Amino acid sequence: QKEVEQNSGPLSVPEGAIASLNCTYSDRGSQSFFWYRQYSGKSPELIMSIYSNGDKEDGRFTAQLNKASQYVSLLIRDSQPSDSATYLCAVNGRMYSGGGADGLTFGKGTHLIIQP
Amino acid sequence: GAVVSQHPSRVICKSGTSVKIECRSLDFQATTMFWYRQFPKQSLMLMATSNEGSKATYEQGVEKDKFLINHASLTLSTLTVTSAHPEDSSFYICSARGPGRGGGTDTQYFGPGTRLTVL
Repeated sequence: QKEVEQNSGPLSVPEGAIASLNCTYSDRGSQSFFWYRQYSGKSPELIMSIYSNGDKEDGRFTAQLNKASQYVSLLIRDSQPSDSATYLCAVNGRMYSGGGADGLTFGKGTHLIIQP
Repeated sequence: GAVVSQHPSRVICKSGTSVKIECRSLDFQATTMFWYRQFPKQSLMLMATSNEGSKATYEQGVEKDKFLINHASLTLSTLTVTSAHPEDSSFYICSARGPGRGGGTDTQYFGPGTRLTVL
């Protein structure tokens, strides 16, 4: 069964430090990778997308993709208390969806706590 | 840009009734929308893919006769939960495939979700 795995946490990081979130996926054919942030009771909000190996930076966020290792990570620099949320890793690949569509397969999320 | 709305945000209904949830892309056209369900402390699970002008594609284990999907226009998809039961109580979230940031690959943008409680 195709899966996306994340450590559920909680991951506690001091304010101002770097938070590192990790994700592994089982299907080598996956093409697109996303990080979403979800606050309690709210829907996911897109943080980063990455499609090719290497690093992609956007402000305080850096996504890293290693397709050979089937590994995706998200780094949050200068962590703020407002970054406290659940971070969902999502993968897009036709083999995940029985219907052949490109719906996302989500990990269970990592609960991040930024300590003031 | 790329805003998706859902209505209602919260609904409480009696067991056996039907509930319709609307998902709209407000500032872009979406030929494809997706419906997800999230139970407490669980991740989002894809239920079905909604394609404008054609039948929806359901994920394995999702009853198409219970969860009716209609995508009648490029900006609107509806999910109707028929004969709802307490086990259908969940957070239903739609997404619409829209333009990627910076003109890149299409990205999914999520609506705010609908919390359904079936008594």
